[in-house]
Amino acid sequence: DQQVKQNSPSLSVQEGRISILNCDYTNSMFDYFLWYKKYPAEGPTFLISISSIKDKNEDGRFTVFLNKSAKHLSLHIVPSQPGDSAVYFCAASGGNEKLTFGTGTRLTIIP
Amino acid sequence: DTEVTQTPKHLVMGMTNKKSLKCEQHMGHRAMYWYKQKAKKPPELMFVYSYEKLSINESVPSRFSPECPNSSLLNLHLHALQPEDSALYLCASSQVRLAAAYEQYFGPGTRLTVT
Repeated sequence: DQQVKQNSPSLSVQEGRISILNCDYTNSMFDYFLWYKKYPAEGPTFLISISSIKDKNEDGRFTVFLNKSAKHLSLHIVPSQPGDSAVYFCAASGGNEKLTFGTGTRLTIIP
Repeated sequence: DTEVTQTPKHLVMGMTNKKSLKCEQHMGHRAMYWYKQKAKKPPELMFVYSYEKLSINESVPSRFSPECPNSSLLNLHLHALQPEDSALYLCASSQVRLAAAYEQYFGPGTRLTVT
């Protein structure tokens, strides 16, 4: 049972435009959400997180939005840059150290 | 320093071999993790150590044996593996917070091939 889902396996965006990556979850016990970026043959790199007591968190070009009623979160990257091309994973946690990862979205930024 | 290091980078082993994967962090984190990642799949949690004690074992087969000698080091001992165990093995570390999570920092992984 996939508790964290990223329904778009891939996404292509023009350089300079906004990239929006989406993630849905089913477990209402999840209270902490994270986004990771992964290049091939490297470990995931932490990007940004959000607690369930907030609905938005911003860090530079990255903003994460959380809609608890819809059990949905999204990552906005603006402006998109070629170095943003990677696989993006959302992850969720509920009360302990265990992270449940989504299936990933491959983002390609077109110059 | 936000670096987690893992050795070796690549490992090829036969099904009768015994080998170990090593992970080290110097961020003062008290939780350390082993994940397994197959191609085009998300990382899957295997083990969590919190304050050098095993706190989570995700029903991993006994041919994988974790060890946490101290707060900076994490090992994964491998014995009698199967070809389907071939994967990228990722180590991560984080701070510990009661009943909550912190962001985990990952190492570059060890690419394991079992022949």
